Amino acid sequence: NAGVTQTPKFRVLKTGQSMTLLCAQDMNHEYMYWYRQDPGMGLRLIHYSVGEGTTAKGEVPDGYNVSRLKKQNFLLGLESAAPSQTSVYFCASSGSGQGINEQYFGPGTRLTVT
Amino acid sequence: RKEVEQDPGPFNVPEGATVAFNCTYSNSASQSFFWYRQDCRKEPKLLMSVYSSGNEDGRFTAQLNRASQYISLLIRDSKLSDSATYLCVVLKRNFNKFYFGSGTKLNVKP
Repeated sequence: NAGVTQTPKFRVLKTGQSMTLLCAQDMNHEYMYWYRQDPGMGLRLIHYSVGEGTTAKGEVPDGYNVSRLKKQNFLLGLESAAPSQTSVYFCASSGSGQGINEQYFGPGTRLTVT
Repeated sequence: RKEVEQDPGPFNVPEGATVAFNCTYSNSASQSFFWYRQDCRKEPKLLMSVYSSGNEDGRFTAQLNRASQYISLLIRDSKLSDSATYLCVVLKRNFNKFYFGSGTKLNVKP
């Protein structure tokens, strides 16, 4: 049981390049989330999904797109990277049952845009 | 106003000390509460959920005060390995969103 995995772990992009970050979970969770974390700031929600085929905007969605074609995968795309998108990106998932549903996080992707 | 506010610290304490963190949240619709721990350059990991009646897990005690809209975490007998950033998290279930505080940094020194 791997939990939540993210690929890649590190990436360096030039301004204007595009890339896709992949998140996968094997816990059959309905909800998945993408966050970014910058020094001195808390986790900020980029986009999230409440089920296969659904996505919704979070707090800081501009410059990002997402897709949830399969329940276990949640992709985050940067169409035209900017230096302001240099950050650590975390994916998370959580269940949807009646009980307390905590989030489980992937190990993060460290992205630098030059 | 932020949804969740925490004192960023750092809290510098000697081994064996007792230390407490508080966190306030702004929305009374918040329904579930958690403390996460984050080590440097690593992902956040669940430390404990916070129940309405308060709960304890070994050296860690969490309490919830809905009337005053704050959550607390008490760590007894601090260990060097407790050094980390502690994140306060609230869940608004009807919006399926988790709101994170910026974290409180704890340094436990020998």
